[in-house]
Amino acid sequence: DTEVTQTPKHLVMGMTNKKSLKCEQHMGHRAMYWYKQKAKKPPELMFVYSYEKLSINESVPSRFSPECPNSSLLNLHLHALQPEDSALYLCASSQDQGTSDEQFFGPGTRLTVL
Amino acid sequence: GQNIDQPTEMTATEGAIVQINCTYQTSGFNGLFWYQQHAGEAPTFLSYNVLDGLEEKGRFSSFLSRSKGYSYLLLKELQMKDSASYLCAVMDSNYQLIWGAGTKLIIKP
Repeated sequence: DTEVTQTPKHLVMGMTNKKSLKCEQHMGHRAMYWYKQKAKKPPELMFVYSYEKLSINESVPSRFSPECPNSSLLNLHLHALQPEDSALYLCASSQDQGTSDEQFFGPGTRLTVL
Repeated sequence: GQNIDQPTEMTATEGAIVQINCTYQTSGFNGLFWYQQHAGEAPTFLSYNVLDGLEEKGRFSSFLSRSKGYSYLLLKELQMKDSASYLCAVMDSNYQLIWGAGTKLIIKP
């Protein structure tokens, strides 16, 4: 299984809502990543988890809250988002952090904040 | 600072060959990746170069010159399905991916 899955595929939410994005991989990868991608731009790294511990937080606003319940799952909790947070949110995983392993990307969640 | 440059857009004809260039200046180097991304979809891995030279994988090849901070992706026998964005990304000394803005490749019949 060389797949990273993400749910939901699309999400529309108001600025007062609370929602969560989910990501799952069963490749035994120990590093998992959240990226944000705006149209016609490259992915921007948000968070990195290594062995279920938060390793990197790229100064992301607190309205985004990551969680890694176990080695296969990664969540991104959203609260009080702004319209400018509308983007494609990509989850990725790799064998390990701190190595040159390729990252496998999920299909993404297209988020629209109204 | 860290910088990766690649052309914004290229156009090529079905069946032809196209070369997408990427130049980089980064804090350290632990390899260069090429990813393909169709509109609205996730990036998919194409190639990885860490040593100088050419890596061939079917219709796609990738070249690296570390001394020149330069790479290219060569696509042969272009097909309509190759229309996509091609992202160059360098892994820096902290093993973080530094991404180029991507090259949108348009294939015409």
